[in-house]
Amino acid sequence: GQQVMQIPQYQHVQEGEDFTTYCNSSTTLSNIQWYKQRPGGHPVFLIQLVKSGEVKKQKRLTFQFGEAKKNSSLHITATQTTDVGTYFCAGRKGQNFVFGPGTRLSVLP
Amino acid sequence: NAGVMQNPRHLVRRRGQEARLRCSPMKGHSHVYWYRQLPEEGLKFMVYLQKENIIDESGMPKERFSAEFPKEGPSILRIQQVVRGDSAAYFCASSPDRVGEQYFGPGTRLTVT
Repeated sequence: GQQVMQIPQYQHVQEGEDFTTYCNSSTTLSNIQWYKQRPGGHPVFLIQLVKSGEVKKQKRLTFQFGEAKKNSSLHITATQTTDVGTYFCAGRKGQNFVFGPGTRLSVLP
Repeated sequence: NAGVMQNPRHLVRRRGQEARLRCSPMKGHSHVYWYRQLPEEGLKFMVYLQKENIIDESGMPKERFSAEFPKEGPSILRIQQVVRGDSAAYFCASSPDRVGEQYFGPGTRLTVT
């Protein structure tokens, strides 16, 4: 079945450093969504990408969807302590979504 | 517009008891998803419902688990004869359509003793 992988599993950065997490699917995705979950919280929707090669920006966050629609990335510029949390990608599979295992980001002040 | 509501937030059950988890989607949303999350792990899809219909239950165990989303009232995830391995956080999410973003509730933390 379809698998969605994310790397790295954990990332520790110093505040102000950049951060990137990568999402890879074994099959082509019709779309991909990104979510952020703070420790002890619930996932919060960040963005949805639909088109091949699509790039979207939200302030310090840049999201990309690969040309083959099998991979995606989330890049955070100049991390802040408020960026702490786990970032999940989710690829659409048939009627539902398959979530990646997430990348846990910790930011040291 | 209130967000997705889930109750109870915390539920403790003894082995063999039943757990009933409720989810009220956002107003106007007719699509509901249920996910299970173990500590420090990702979200595992369980079931996708659209008002009164189960669309996809491929992630839900065939035994002891059931879900419904009646015409009136919240969606309910029911776990019969709970076992320790059922301990997890159960999140529901609602969506206005079948391809859009999902809005998650705060989750129900189930502990089986």
